[in-house]
Amino acid sequence: DAGITQSPRHKVTETGTPVTLRCHQTENHRYMYWYRQDPGHGLRLIHYSYGVKDTDKGEVSDGYSVSRSKTEDFLLTLESATSSQTSVYFCAIRDAGELFFGEGSRLTVL
Amino acid sequence: EDQVTQSPEALRLQEGESSSLNCSYTVSGLRGLFWYRQDPGKGPEFLFTLYSAGEEKEKERLKATLTKKESFLHITAPKPEDSATYLCAVQVGGGSNYKLTFGKGTLLTVNP
Repeated sequence: DAGITQSPRHKVTETGTPVTLRCHQTENHRYMYWYRQDPGHGLRLIHYSYGVKDTDKGEVSDGYSVSRSKTEDFLLTLESATSSQTSVYFCAIRDAGELFFGEGSRLTVL
Repeated sequence: EDQVTQSPEALRLQEGESSSLNCSYTVSGLRGLFWYRQDPGKGPEFLFTLYSAGEEKEKERLKATLTKKESFLHITAPKPEDSATYLCAVQVGGGSNYKLTFGKGTLLTVNP
């Protein structure tokens, strides 16, 4: 157990609404990551953080923003959700060179 | 562009029937190769990291090997509880530029 909690675990929303997913960790890890997982694409990196207020883009960052105001929380925001953002979102922390993942947040955009 | 290709996409085995999963990669400067197991509705679970060609790691019925172009996950005498999707990933960059690029996975089904 990597001490990662994602919330909400499931969410259904409508196109055009804002959505925020939260990743909370209890073990003071510096590096945190957001991935999305879709059939036929595997896991793709959205954004990552290498410290409080230090974030950078991954390969599929368009339409997403992130914030990290304290070590334990890494927020992923969809400013205006679209149907193409229907996916399962995974948060991960880096520990000793390896990534450890949360249980995922399933988002459906209607 | 860094690429990770896993084959086969799906594999069905009988209990006790050994086999191998393949992960081939094209990256500039491999820093590490990772294997994960993912059960339905769950997050990926870390299995192994390999850093250099010739390296091998084992855990129960699983053994991972690495060459300069590919990695294999060998499953010896599998059991139904080994059924899962197995993901391969390569590390590019280090420090604050560390990222993992994943393959699409192999869905393994082991029938009793």
